[in-house]
Amino acid sequence: NAGVTQTPKFRVLKTGQSMTLLCAQDMNHEYMYWYRQDPGMGLRLIHYSVGEGTTAKGEVPDGYNVSRLKKQNFLLGLESAAPSQTSVYFCASRTWGYANEQFFGPGTRLTVL
Amino acid sequence: AQSVTQLDSQVPVFEEAPVELRCNYSSSVSVYLFWYVQYPNQGLQLLLKYLSGSTLVESINGFEAEFNKSQTSFHLRKPSVHISDSAEYFCAVSDQQGAQKLVFGQGTRLTINP
Repeated sequence: NAGVTQTPKFRVLKTGQSMTLLCAQDMNHEYMYWYRQDPGMGLRLIHYSVGEGTTAKGEVPDGYNVSRLKKQNFLLGLESAAPSQTSVYFCASRTWGYANEQFFGPGTRLTVL
Repeated sequence: AQSVTQLDSQVPVFEEAPVELRCNYSSSVSVYLFWYVQYPNQGLQLLLKYLSGSTLVESINGFEAEFNKSQTSFHLRKPSVHISDSAEYFCAVSDQQGAQKLVFGQGTRLTINP
């Protein structure tokens, strides 16, 4: 099993460009999450999904959109990138149940110039 | 809403010395508590978690954490660290219902000096 994978690993954008980050999991997990990690701020939740076809806002959703058309995939979109979105993005997934571990992907390092 | 404060952004220690990484949280509801570890250029991995019962929880690699409800703390300790423990450590809480979203602290970078 590959676990949680993220595509791409690195990306450089210019202000105003758009892109989509792909997260895929092969563990049949119900819940999926997108976080951003910035120095000194830990990880902050952007959006999450509790199942196929559902999405919800997290702590810092502005400037991002998500979709979960298939259970195994969770897409994070930036419609018009801004320098403030320069960050490392992590996807995570977990199965249903109480206090189950979230499994994290390796991250995508995004730079917006 | 929950919040988590990790009291030290960096902790340097010598190899084989003991270490404590401090974590305080606030919440108006009961929570689950977690410690995650992040090695350089990797995602996070679960180190240990507290759900209920005994207030002392242990990991397989010698770390332990103690839940203190009155002080709303969940400090992480290890009696003797190794070079391989060098990493960033994140304390996190989640509520016990619904999506159980994680709220993370700012992280503590543990540096082990030989």
